[in-house]
Amino acid sequence: DSGVTQTPKHLITATGQRVTLRCSPRSGDLSVYWYQQSLDQGLQFLIQYYNGEERAKGNILERFSAQQFPDLHSELNLSSLELGDSALYFCASSGRLAGVGTDTQYFGPGTRLTVL
Amino acid sequence: DQQVKQNSPSLSVQEGRISILNCDYTNSMFDYFLWYKKYPAEGPTFLISISSIKDKNEDGRFTVFLNKSAKHLSLHIVPSQPGDSAVYFCAASSTYFGNEKLTFGTGTRLTIIP
Repeated sequence: DSGVTQTPKHLITATGQRVTLRCSPRSGDLSVYWYQQSLDQGLQFLIQYYNGEERAKGNILERFSAQQFPDLHSELNLSSLELGDSALYFCASSGRLAGVGTDTQYFGPGTRLTVL
Repeated sequence: DQQVKQNSPSLSVQEGRISILNCDYTNSMFDYFLWYKKYPAEGPTFLISISSIKDKNEDGRFTVFLNKSAKHLSLHIVPSQPGDSAVYFCAASSTYFGNEKLTFGTGTRLTIIP
């Protein structure tokens, strides 16, 4: 158990709909990351938040948005869903920033999104 | 543009033998490398890491080797055990990017044959 929790585990929805994925980081971790894993692909970085502020953005679609709340949990919002958005969405957390000391990202179990 | 590549999608190794998983990268700014292991229906689990100031890091049965001039790293597992059967991802990051994002390879599925 990594200490990172994600809800829901599975989500089935229709094209055009909007969903929200939730992530609670490990206790004390300030950074939250979101990654997408499509079929037979590696994990693609979407976005990182550190202590409530956006720190880095990857290839995240404009239809997707995220935020990190004062209690440090994060939500990833996916809207106008398309069939190609079907994937595993992972959240990870870490404590320190690079340069302060190397740190490891710990991953949650993921949310499997199926768009029909 | 795949900056981190794992060219072997799968690998089968006899139990007790050495498993060697390979990873190549193209971005010379990467200075921190990690290996993650993933079982089905679970998130990736951190295995071992190496900083670019080292060429080897060892943790029990797991050793990671880094060859910066070749932009290549490898993970050695010895001896291999049935519980090692999983998908292994190589990942890289850079302190020069100003963030901690990881760039992942596409993974190698390791199967340990009893």
